[in-house]
Amino acid sequence: EAGVTQFPSHSVIEKGQTVTLRCDPISGHDNLYWYRRVMGKEIKFLLHFVKESKQDESGMPNNRFLAERTGGTYSTLKVQPAELEDSGVYFCASSQRPKGDRGGYTFGSGTRLTVV
Amino acid sequence: SQQGEEDPQALSIQEGENATMNCSYKTSINNLQWYRQNSGRGLVHLILIRSNEREKHSGRLRVTLDTSKKSSSLLITASRAADTASYFCATAHTGANSKLTFGKGITLSVRP
Repeated sequence: EAGVTQFPSHSVIEKGQTVTLRCDPISGHDNLYWYRRVMGKEIKFLLHFVKESKQDESGMPNNRFLAERTGGTYSTLKVQPAELEDSGVYFCASSQRPKGDRGGYTFGSGTRLTVV
Repeated sequence: SQQGEEDPQALSIQEGENATMNCSYKTSINNLQWYRQNSGRGLVHLILIRSNEREKHSGRLRVTLDTSKKSSSLLITASRAADTASYFCATAHTGANSKLTFGKGITLSVRP
């Protein structure tokens, strides 16, 4: 079974530019999550999709972040315009059941975003 | 304040020794999960323990959960150099939302 795929693996952009991250979850996983780890801090929740619907977006830092999951398959996370404090590693995860109750979440390798 | 807090923050042991890592949390949970992250890679799910369970084993891993103390421990027995990684505990809360709350992680170094 293919895992969770994220791309790009690295992105370096200038402040004010736009970046779009993509996540392909495991086929059949209705639950898709975005998390972020800023340097030296804990991994923080951004949002949760169930199929194409946003179930919980309480972790989205501000309206410069826009996540979509059209058709309930892959998801994109757009940052526009990017700021220096957006730098970090963005993880996507998927799971069969909410709360990872059967086998936990499967995480992608992450996208390392650097805003200069 | 953060939900999951692991200790120690860093642990260095000799190959063959056991490694014990602890995690504390603050609010009621549905389950607690441990993940491993190798340098530059994603998080890999290791083991999940539900709130009504007290101990679980998986290979060389043993996890315990004490809901009265709101704490968990992860024991890796007979450690190997390949166990060198960062380890995170993550809690799924009771209630409607499905997110996991992570701690900052423990860096484990196993010396060959």
